[in-house]
This record gives sequence, structure tokens and C-alpha cells, in this order.
Amino acid sequence: QQQVRQSPQSLTVWEGETAILNCSYEDSTFDYFPWYWQFPRESPALLIAIRPVSNKKEDGRFTIFFNKREKKLSLHITDSQPGDSATYFCAVDTNAYKVIFGKGTHLHVLP
Amino acid sequence: EAAVTQSPRNKVAVTGGKVTLSCNQTNNHNNMYWYRQDTGHGLRLIHYSYGAGSTEKGDIPDGYKASRPSQENFSLILELATPSQTSVYFCASGPGQGDERLFFGHGTKLSVL
Repeated sequence: QQQVRQSPQSLTVWEGETAILNCSYEDSTFDYFPWYWQFPRESPALLIAIRPVSNKKEDGRFTIFFNKREKKLSLHITDSQPGDSATYFCAVDTNAYKVIFGKGTHLHVLP
Repeated sequence: EAAVTQSPRNKVAVTGGKVTLSCNQTNNHNNMYWYRQDTGHGLRLIHYSYGAGSTEKGDIPDGYKASRPSQENFSLILELATPSQTSVYFCASGPGQGDERLFFGHGTKLSVL
């Protein structure tokens, strides 16, 4: 059972465009939704996170939009830069710190 | 920021052998995790722990054991390694107590021949 689904699997945008990464989840009781990014040959690191009390969380060029009714969220990266090229993982805290990850979206930003 | 150290960085093992992957964290975090990363599967949770003496099964625990002898250390044990366990293994720690952030180690690349 895949509790966290991400799409697309791979995304290519031009520098300056907005990249949109999608995530959906199964259980409406999940209450913490972090996004992690991972650069080649490095370990994942926390990028930004949201709780269901909010429908939007912004940090610079990175914004999470959250739709609790549809159990969907998306990560928008505005003014994409080549240095944003990485794999982005949507994750959920399913129950008392059991953190589950999606399969990831590979983002390529072309100069 | 939490310091999470994994050892070894690389490991080659033979099928049927015993493998122990070690993880040490120095920020006094309550929770620790073992994930494996494979192309097409993302990060999959093997075992996790809420503190010394506790271990919990993740989504793919079969073929793996875990041990948390102290707050700082969390080991992953493959009693009878198989080629399907060839992967990159990441250890992570997290504060708990309302803070769900995870801090990852640099990973261990395991090849089982």
C-alpha cells in the first residue's frame, strides 16, 4: 500500500520558470507534511514543511499549497534555478513519528 | 544541527554473511530511523526507534533486525545478507516531542555479492 504518491516522476523546466511538484496521501489523520530535497551523492535534507491547520506555507521561492479535503499538496518553486536541480521527496508523519516518504520527483532546471 | 554518523561508508558482503551497519548521533535526539534507497522506490522505512531499548518495525522489516542500545547508537543487522539487500542505507535521527524533523547521515553503500 503506497501511502504517499508523487507526480511527476521527472520534471524539466527552464531557468526562471515555476516548477510544480505534486503529492497525495491516503490517510486524513496524517498531520505533518515535510518536503525533503536530495542533491546527487548527498543525503536528504529538510526543505519545508506544513501542518493541516494551514493551506499554504511559504519560504522564499518555495511554497507548499495544501488541500486537506482532497488529500493533496503541491510544492511550487518559483524562478527556478539550475541549483534547484535535485530529487524532491514528499513525506508524511503517519503515526507518532513514523515518517514515510514518496518515491520522489527528479527536477531538472535547464539554464 | 544534529550530527549523524554512519559506518562504514561502503561495505561489500557475501551472500549469507552477517552485516552490521552502525549509526551514531550526538544531538540527544529521541528518535532514530533506518531507510534504504533504491532507484524507483524512493526512501523506504526499515526500522525505527523511540529511544534506548526500543525498536519498531517499519514498512520493509523482513530480513533486517535493529538494535538501540543507547540514546546515541542505532544499528541495523542483516543476519543472512542477500543480493536483494544491495542498496544505499540512510540513518536519520529526530528530536521527537512535537518536532518531526529528520536529520540524515551520509549513507552506507552496501553491495551483497
